[in-house]
Amino acid sequence: SYELTQPSSVSVSPGQTARITCSGDVLAKKYARWFQQKPGQAPVLVIYKDSERPSGIPERFSGSSSGTTVTLTISGAQVEDEADYYCYSAADNKGVFGGGTKLTVL
Amino acid sequence: EVQLVESGGGLVQPGGSLRLSCAASGFTFSSYWMSWVRQAPGKGLEWVANIKQDGSEKYYVDSVKGRFTISRDNAKNSLYLQMNSLRAEDTAVYYCASSPTFDPWGQGTLVTVSS
Repeated sequence: SYELTQPSSVSVSPGQTARITCSGDVLAKKYARWFQQKPGQAPVLVIYKDSERPSGIPERFSGSSSGTTVTLTISGAQVEDEADYYCYSAADNKGVFGGGTKLTVL
Repeated sequence: EVQLVESGGGLVQPGGSLRLSCAASGFTFSSYWMSWVRQAPGKGLEWVANIKQDGSEKYYVDSVKGRFTISRDNAKNSLYLQMNSLRAEDTAVYYCASSPTFDPWGQGTLVTVSS
């Protein structure tokens, strides 16, 4: 089975750039998605195909990929970006989520 | 507007069964793979199972293989998850989502396995 590894927490001050990484062998061959989840809410897709941003997602959210690591970057993080972030990929028709990263913006 | 509405959750004793449903609208349900994802209280997201457009292929996370069965009814735009031999560790909010988009998600339905 595949695994995706994320840092458990990342902390930045408002206006700073937050970077959240996700590592796993599957990422060398398959695209990743990123989801934002705020307390008590369902996840929301913020990045797909490693770096594409769905409509309605602020431009400060971007994604990149290098080898077996993908990175979610929030440029000029806002207080409202404080949330849990999960990467996701799939291989052999099975999905896998990273363990999640708690982003603190304060 | 794409909408997914999960239902069927509740309190069940260990070893019991439950059937979850997901009603889809606002998109061509029969054109998409569909998935179930769960989230245990205070924990991360876990992919559980998915099913091909015509139901001919189904895949499961190892921890539910042989206990859970995913199915769909394209005529009713509905996705199901039959859960048998439930364990305490199956306690979670269960979400359905279209694959591979996973956008949007439903509100989820809570399954609690406890005596």
